[in-house]
Amino acid sequence: ELKVEQNPLFLSMQEGKNYTIYCNYSTTSDRLYWYRQDPGKSLESLFVLLSNGAVKQEGRLMASLDTKARLSTLHITAAVHDLSATYFCAVGDFGNEKLTFGTGTRLTIIP
Amino acid sequence: DAGVIQSPRHEVTEMGQEVTLRCKLISGHNSLFWYRQTMMRGLELLIYFNNNVPIDDSGMPEDRFSAKMPNASFSTLKIQPSEPRDSAVYFCASSPGQRMQYFGPGTRLTVT
Repeated sequence: ELKVEQNPLFLSMQEGKNYTIYCNYSTTSDRLYWYRQDPGKSLESLFVLLSNGAVKQEGRLMASLDTKARLSTLHITAAVHDLSATYFCAVGDFGNEKLTFGTGTRLTIIP
Repeated sequence: DAGVIQSPRHEVTEMGQEVTLRCKLISGHNSLFWYRQTMMRGLELLIYFNNNVPIDDSGMPEDRFSAKMPNASFSTLKIQPSEPRDSAVYFCASSPGQRMQYFGPGTRLTVT
């Protein structure tokens, strides 16, 4: 059974600082996704990572994938308040369409 | 594109009543997923369909839950009878097949 762990669960950081969220998974997968969820809202897709060494960047967010270590990171550069949200990684089951979601990281950016 | 459409957005019902949640897929997508989100259990996949066929329903909690996809663009999730522990946000998502899943706005269900 595929298990996905995210850490930290909660992250409070000051504006302008850098930080990284980690996503570990337990079995081989061929795809990994990052989503963002604002309080009371739906999940918004951010990135899809399909191969070892893949890196995607959008604004102050950068996601990377190391399939050998079964690890993905979401790096936040020079955080701003608008990035406050809960971030989820989701890992695809190999050979089917199921996604297993991590527990989420609730990020709060303090002015 | 209108995105995934869910209705109702909020539902409050009494224990024992039947609840039906509805979902319209994004045009051109052929996979449909139902998720449930709670504080205690996080985001759980209940069932998913591909080309109208249920592929994996291992996440459906029990026989009180049933899901159908009568055509390529529409699905329902039914709970009968409902119980207070079913209170959650239910999301529907669609995908063009082994790609990013796009989530609907969700239905917040409260069973009293």
